[in-house]
Amino acid sequence: ELKVEQNPLFLSMQEGKNYTIYCNYSTTSDRLYWYRQDPGKSLESLFVLLSNGAVKQEGRLMASLDTKARLSTLHITAAVHDLSATYFCAVTQNSGNTPLVFGKGTRLSVIA
Amino acid sequence: DGGITQSPKYLFRKEGQNVTLSCEQNLNHDAMYWYRQDPGQGLRLIYYSQIVNDFQKGDIAEGYSVSREKKESFPLTVTSAQKNPTAFYLCASRIISGNTIYFGEGSWLTVV
Repeated sequence: ELKVEQNPLFLSMQEGKNYTIYCNYSTTSDRLYWYRQDPGKSLESLFVLLSNGAVKQEGRLMASLDTKARLSTLHITAAVHDLSATYFCAVTQNSGNTPLVFGKGTRLSVIA
Repeated sequence: DGGITQSPKYLFRKEGQNVTLSCEQNLNHDAMYWYRQDPGQGLRLIYYSQIVNDFQKGDIAEGYSVSREKKESFPLTVTSAQKNPTAFYLCASRIISGNTIYFGEGSWLTVV
């Protein structure tokens, strides 16, 4: 059974600081997704990582994937208040023929 | 514009009632999914379907039912057997083996 663990679950960080969110998964996976969710809203797609060593960046967020370690990271650079949200990683297998399995999410709060 | 439409956005259910949440997509996607999200929690899979007239149970299917009579529609019925249905429900769809997964705006269900 595929399990996905994120840590930390809660993160309070000061503006301007850097931090990393970790996502571990339990079995071989071929796709890893990162999503952002604002309170009361649906999910916003951030990144899709498809291969070992994949790195994607958008603004202050950078995601990477190490399939051998079954680990993905979401790195936040010089945080700003607008990044406050909940971030989820999710994993699927078998070339997308199985549903996404989600981590519990990391609730990020960026404070001045 | 192509996308996923969920309705209603807000729904109130009385004890003992069945209610149905609608999910319609015009993306010609093969697979559709229903997830439940409780406050402060991750997403859990209720049901999914990869082809018309076929669907599979997810992790928390008890108290729910679905149908897939048309490719574009995947309604979810929350039955009276679901004792704690208050949650945020998200519908998603994708092309089989595709990288992009689209989410609807979600439906809030509250028991009164």
